[in-house]
Amino acid sequence: DGGITQSPKYLFRKEGQNVTLSCEQNLNHDAMYWYRQDPGQGLRLIYYSQIVNDFQKGDIAEGYSVSREKKESFPLTVTSAQKNPTAFYLCASSALVWGYTFGSGTRLTVV
Amino acid sequence: AQTVTQSQPEMSVQEAETVTLSCTYDTSESNYYLFWYKQPPSRQMILVIRQEAYKQQNATENRFSVNFQKAAKSFSLKISDSQLGDTAMYFCAFRIIQGAQKLVFGQGTRLTINP
Repeated sequence: DGGITQSPKYLFRKEGQNVTLSCEQNLNHDAMYWYRQDPGQGLRLIYYSQIVNDFQKGDIAEGYSVSREKKESFPLTVTSAQKNPTAFYLCASSALVWGYTFGSGTRLTVV
Repeated sequence: AQTVTQSQPEMSVQEAETVTLSCTYDTSESNYYLFWYKQPPSRQMILVIRQEAYKQQNATENRFSVNFQKAAKSFSLKISDSQLGDTAMYFCAFRIIQGAQKLVFGQGTRLTINP
């Protein structure tokens, strides 16, 4: 079945450490997105990519980095520059029509 | 920039009742889509219903329907005959047709259906 796979489901980061969240899709979608969700808040856009080898900053890109070397993959790195990384991270993809498909998310906690 | 506002942080109703969730948005665009997403405790985002701005007819999906008022920039969700499984966070979202097609979300409404 087609879908989006995010891994790991839970991730723990030590202070000063970089961590990478994986997002893979087999839907043949061109566009992919990373959102951050904090308690009591909606989803905020971190980065997005409309085609391979191209990506743009969203509303809260500071402290994050991404790559889009393959159409299927859009990993997100949370760097040590992100001062408050504890959150729920959602990856999504869409074709050039109006639907989004979401992954099941990664819960990142700083320890 | 587009913004989406959900003015009801939490709502609670009895099973089988009808409930309406409010959403307003701000945009200068004329062509866009509007969505309601449901996020149950599993945290999986599930599309509930969607509406094209150029369509005057309100979208319906079984027990879910919307009241789309384009001039007022309002997009409310009505859930009829509410069920325990409807308990979730509900997010209103907006997306322009052209360009990057980013989804802009409201802050969410936590809906609880009581037995």
